Amino acid sequence: LAKTTQPISMDSYEGQEVNITCSHNNIATNDYITWYQQFPSQGPRFIIQGYKTKVTNEVASLFIPADRKSSTLSLPRVSLSDTAVYYCLVGPGLEAGNNRKLIWGLGTSLAVNP
Amino acid sequence: KAGVTQTPRYLIKTRGQQVTLSCSPISGHRSVSWYQQTPGQGLQFLFEYFSETQRNKGNFPGRFSGRQFSNSRSEMNVSTLELGDSALYLCASSLAQGGEQYFGPGTRLTVT
Repeated sequence: LAKTTQPISMDSYEGQEVNITCSHNNIATNDYITWYQQFPSQGPRFIIQGYKTKVTNEVASLFIPADRKSSTLSLPRVSLSDTAVYYCLVGPGLEAGNNRKLIWGLGTSLAVNP
Repeated sequence: KAGVTQTPRYLIKTRGQQVTLSCSPISGHRSVSWYQQTPGQGLQFLFEYFSETQRNKGNFPGRFSGRQFSNSRSEMNVSTLELGDSALYLCASSLAQGGEQYFGPGTRLTVT
């Protein structure tokens, strides 16, 4: 299971676009990239998952270059409520039974300021 | 639909004691996974239960155990508590083994 590297913390302001980059040099051919969000005193919440190129949903976009050795989570026009820890995980996709053994790092603590 | 619930939310125990944590999955979900989250190690997978059987296991000692009941509710038990067991224990449920997980709020365990 590939390990990931992401910034420990980031600061932003309301209304700005935030991009959090995750490095995963040892990503395997079958690995997916999954991002979770965690608020204080809550469990993580799934944000987005992708395999290559670009994925977009109502919450975020995920950009994955051709070599797949990194990925960028993009949060458009953040608000105060987006202050949370964001985790990048690499491994089996959501539907895979062994998805549970994904390696969770310490995540990126995003602070959105007024 | 109610989310994943965990009880108790907070717990203080002393070294050597044992503890049982409970998790009620989202109605209809048959898979329950348990995780330990600490500031230094992040979130680590403990085990997963599906249809009352343990299907997946992380790298934790035998002091950590769990079970799942016929109604999909799950409990995890930690025996002979150590200071290092102080953590947030998270439960997550999914419809099947694999699939998107929905996490509960966690149980904050403090071992003194």
